[in-house]
Amino acid sequence: DVKVTQSSRYLVKRTGEKVFLECVQDMDHENMFWYRQDPGLGLRLIYFSYDVKMKEKGDIPEGYSVSREKKERFSLILESASTNQTSMYLCASSLGRVNHEQYFGPGTRLTVT
Amino acid sequence: AQKITQTQPGMFVQEKEAVTLDCTYDTSDPSYGLFWYKQPSSGEMIFLIYQGSYDQQNATEGRYSLNFQKARKSANLVISASQLGDSAMYFCAMREVNTGNQFYFGTGTSLTVIP
Repeated sequence: DVKVTQSSRYLVKRTGEKVFLECVQDMDHENMFWYRQDPGLGLRLIYFSYDVKMKEKGDIPEGYSVSREKKERFSLILESASTNQTSMYLCASSLGRVNHEQYFGPGTRLTVT
Repeated sequence: AQKITQTQPGMFVQEKEAVTLDCTYDTSDPSYGLFWYKQPSSGEMIFLIYQGSYDQQNATEGRYSLNFQKARKSANLVISASQLGDSAMYFCAMREVNTGNQFYFGTGTSLTVIP
């Protein structure tokens, strides 16, 4: 059974804290993605990675960074959390082919107070 | 410009009836894929169906079918014989070869099945 796991389902952090969201996949997928989901806005891409140590900015990278040191792990970092980063964060992975779907993790609901 | 447009924020359907969820897309890439995902209230994203830009026939998966009209750039999802468990958010997505296989998502349609 394919699996994408995320380190936390719920997270509460204070403004200014550094936040790490971890995502691990066990399918040997080249591509990994971080999205945030907000009501009425759908899924917005923050960063994606083609392969180990590769990263590309998505539509809303400001305030975020990522790390992919190993193929199976893709981390999202909020350098200094702000209240407008309160959201649902979804990680996904995929093979690098246009006809291959994404597999999603369960999501992390982050609240910044 | 929006890559994926879903114009129906909310839809209602009677149980056992069919429903069509609209999706239009914008691309100049001849090679692309179109996907539909379901997100129940529990939050997980579930892949439903895929249509390739070169596929001649409309994709079908059980009660799901994709009405692919390439010239109109539309990829509507048809759910037949709706069930209460179909109540969820539905997202249309596109993947293009030109943009490195990045996925683009619409804003979603909330479907409610009425008993």
